[in-house]
Order: sequence, then structure tokens, then C-alpha cells
Amino acid sequence: RKEVEQDPGPFNVPEGATVAFNCTYSNSASQSFFWYRQDCRKEPKLLMSVYSSGNEDGRFTAQLNRASQYISLLIRDSKLSDSATYLCVVRAAGFQKLVFGTGTRLLVSP
Amino acid sequence: GAVVSQHPSWVICKSGTSVKIECRSLDFQATTMFWYRQFPKQSLMLMATSNEGSKATYEQGVEKDKFLINHASLTLSTLTVTSAHPEDSSFYICSAYTSGTYNEQFFGPGTRLTVL
Repeated sequence: RKEVEQDPGPFNVPEGATVAFNCTYSNSASQSFFWYRQDCRKEPKLLMSVYSSGNEDGRFTAQLNRASQYISLLIRDSKLSDSATYLCVVRAAGFQKLVFGTGTRLLVSP
Repeated sequence: GAVVSQHPSWVICKSGTSVKIECRSLDFQATTMFWYRQFPKQSLMLMATSNEGSKATYEQGVEKDKFLINHASLTLSTLTVTSAHPEDSSFYICSAYTSGTYNEQFFGPGTRLTVL
């Protein structure tokens, strides 16, 4: 079983749609959680950290359920520029090592 | 701030040759640098962790004699792919970590290696 699992997609949505991605992780010692965005042939870029209380950044909302070891990302009012691969990333306590999911690909069409 | 550069951005080489990739933190000192590899349609896989002035720690399954890592200063780490083969063709990405102001990893733009 992979340490971080995501649905690879692709998710095809029209502009303006709301889309949600899910992620599960297997290491209960994981302490830090992130969503990264990766464009084709580019490096990953931090989209947002994920906190237990849930957090929002503009059109993006992230949720964490530690009991279920489940992380989600909600994108509202999708833009064409949101088309990318979204990577779920976790880090265990006391370690700097990041563990990446395989990513979920999002395609937003006009 | 927190910019990480990689050089070269892409390289094509013949099978059997060695390729060196540089990773630099431009405006901060990185206590730790990480090297990742990403094959098409797959996620980033950590290859090794390097701390300045000490030997790198390699992940399981990564050959340390094939992927030589040198972290000679707080702003520079190099990855040398020795005797490269076509199966080594991949996207190599480094990241630099500092526990100071940022306390997060910053990624370089990646190096695309193609071995013929």
C-alpha cells in the first residue's frame, strides 16, 4: 500500500465548477500536511498547508481528518489556470522528509 | 526570497557517461537538501537527503555508488549520475530546507535528463 494515496483523475470540469480532491495517508505519525500544485514539466509549488481545524485561502479550502487519516482540497469557481496536477504531501513528526502522493490531475475547460 | 536554482535545466547524454546536476539556494543557507526523481505520470520519489558536510542518506533501493551526492556548502549540493543508462532518464528535482525564517522546503525548477 502506498504511503499517500490519491485518485489520479483526470478530473474534467468546466470553468466555474467546484471540484474536490481526496487523499489518504497510512502513517499515523504524520504531523504536517500540504497540498502542492505541479504544472507539466515543472517543479511542485506549495499551494497550502493543511491544518486540523481546516483552512481556506481564497477559492481553496483544505480539510484534515486525523482519525480517518484523510485530507481534502476543495476548489471553488474553477479557473482555466487551475489546470494542473495537485499533490497531496505529508511529513512525519521530527522528520524533514516529504512523502508525495501520485497526484490528481485537474483539467478545467472553457 | 527562498529561491532554489538547478543547473542544467535539461541534458542529453550518451549511455555510459556521467552527468552532474547542481542545486543552489540563492538567498538562504540550506541546512538540508533533498534530491527527488520523477518518472512520467508518477509522483516525486525521494532519492536521498544530504546535510552540509556529511554523507548523504539514501532511500531504500537507490544506489549510492551510482548517484553521488556532494553537499560541500550551505548553498550548494550536487548530484552526479554515474555511468548513466536510458532507464536513468527522468526529471530530477532538488529541494532545499532551512529551519530558520521559512521552515519549509523550496524546490528547484528541475533537470530533465535524457540518456540515449
